[in-house]
Amino acid sequence: DTAVSQTPKYLVTQMGNDKSIKCEQNLGHDTMYWYKQDSKKFLKIMFSYNNKELIINETVPNRFSPKSPDKAHLNLHINSLELGDSAVYFCASSQERGTGVQPQHFGDGTRLSIL
Amino acid sequence: AQSVTQPDIHITVSEGASLELRCNYSYGATPYLFWYVQSPGQGLQLLLKYFSGDTLVQGIKGFEAEFKRSQSSFNLRKPSVHWSDAAEYFCAVGNTGGFKTIFGAGTRLFVKA
Repeated sequence: DTAVSQTPKYLVTQMGNDKSIKCEQNLGHDTMYWYKQDSKKFLKIMFSYNNKELIINETVPNRFSPKSPDKAHLNLHINSLELGDSAVYFCASSQERGTGVQPQHFGDGTRLSIL
Repeated sequence: AQSVTQPDIHITVSEGASLELRCNYSYGATPYLFWYVQSPGQGLQLLLKYFSGDTLVQGIKGFEAEFKRSQSSFNLRKPSVHWSDAAEYFCAVGNTGGFKTIFGAGTRLFVKA
């Protein structure tokens, strides 16, 4: 029933490992996003996909690689994890109309902790 | 470039008191403005949005916001705060081309009994 669901909810891993976060939305939206929220709650966009095409890539290190197999899914793979990657990662979706950014629906976040 | 400023990092109000959270934006054209709320351990939820038209917009949970172009502001208000309103509140501005939303740093609301 959840509109935007992310897995896992918590991810604890060691520096240097590779990990993935998955996101699925059942709202029929055509645009999906990844955001990073740091410890001070600052929310920064990382990527945006529209109809499976990458639209926004906000100077994110290339260790981060998003993949959108279809409009309902947007996954995030992170290679060689670093301490600074510790944060909460949010997936979101919206239905864009080409007339201005639309409200977004957010998942509950994935809390990534690097040991 | 777009930017959003929320001057107050945190605010404490008594239950039943009125609330105003401040937001100032910078954007060259007519902005698309939003307020979102984030409860602990959860994602952001849309409270209200302004695209055009009436400058006073109503949202969910009894919140409203007023767009003032001359002051580049979009302040959030609620006449009577409930303890369940304690959360982080984010003001955001989106561009007319779509796809990109810039969020403010957030204001943490504490509600005291």
